[in-house]
Amino acid sequence: DQQVKQNSPSLSVQEGRISILNCDYTNSMFDYFLWYKKYPAEGPTFLISISSIKDKNEDGRFTVFLNKSAKHLSLHIVPSQPGDSAVYFCAASRVDNFNKFYFGSGTKLNVKP
Amino acid sequence: DTEVTQTPKHLVMGMTNKKSLKCEQHMGHRAMYWYKQKAKKPPELMFVYSYEKLSINESVPSRFSPECPNSSLLNLHLHALQPEDSALYLCASSQDRPRLGGPTNEKLFFGSGTQLSVL
Repeated sequence: DQQVKQNSPSLSVQEGRISILNCDYTNSMFDYFLWYKKYPAEGPTFLISISSIKDKNEDGRFTVFLNKSAKHLSLHIVPSQPGDSAVYFCAASRVDNFNKFYFGSGTKLNVKP
Repeated sequence: DTEVTQTPKHLVMGMTNKKSLKCEQHMGHRAMYWYKQKAKKPPELMFVYSYEKLSINESVPSRFSPECPNSSLLNLHLHALQPEDSALYLCASSQDRPRLGGPTNEKLFFGSGTQLSVL
């Protein structure tokens, strides 16, 4: 039973435009959400996170939005760059079991020059 | 130092071999993890060590045996693996510091992984 879902396996965007990656979750106990970026044959790299007490967190070109009522989060990348081409995983955890992270299946982003 | 270092980067082994994967971090993190990742799949949790004690074992077969000699080191001993065990094995660490009265902010820091092939 996958509690974190990324329904778009891939996304293609033109350089300079906005990339929007989506993630849905089913467990209302999740209170912390993270985005990771992964290049082939490498480990995932932490990108940005958001706790359930916020609805937006921004770090440079990356912004994460959280809609708790819809159990949905999204990652916005503006402007997109070719170096952003990678697989993006969203992940969730809960404070009463904070060592257990639930990962989505990933979205492969391709930013075209 | 914000790195998690894994060795070896690549490993090919036969089904009768015994080998070990190693992981090291010097960030003062007290939780260390082993994940397994197959192509086009999310990382799948195998084991968690918290303060050098095994706290989570996700029903992993006994042919995988974790070991945490100290808070900076994590090993995964492999014996009699099957071809379907071929995958990228990722080590990760985190602070392991719960926040009382609020959401957690625990973050995983991953190593670059060991690409394992079992023949």
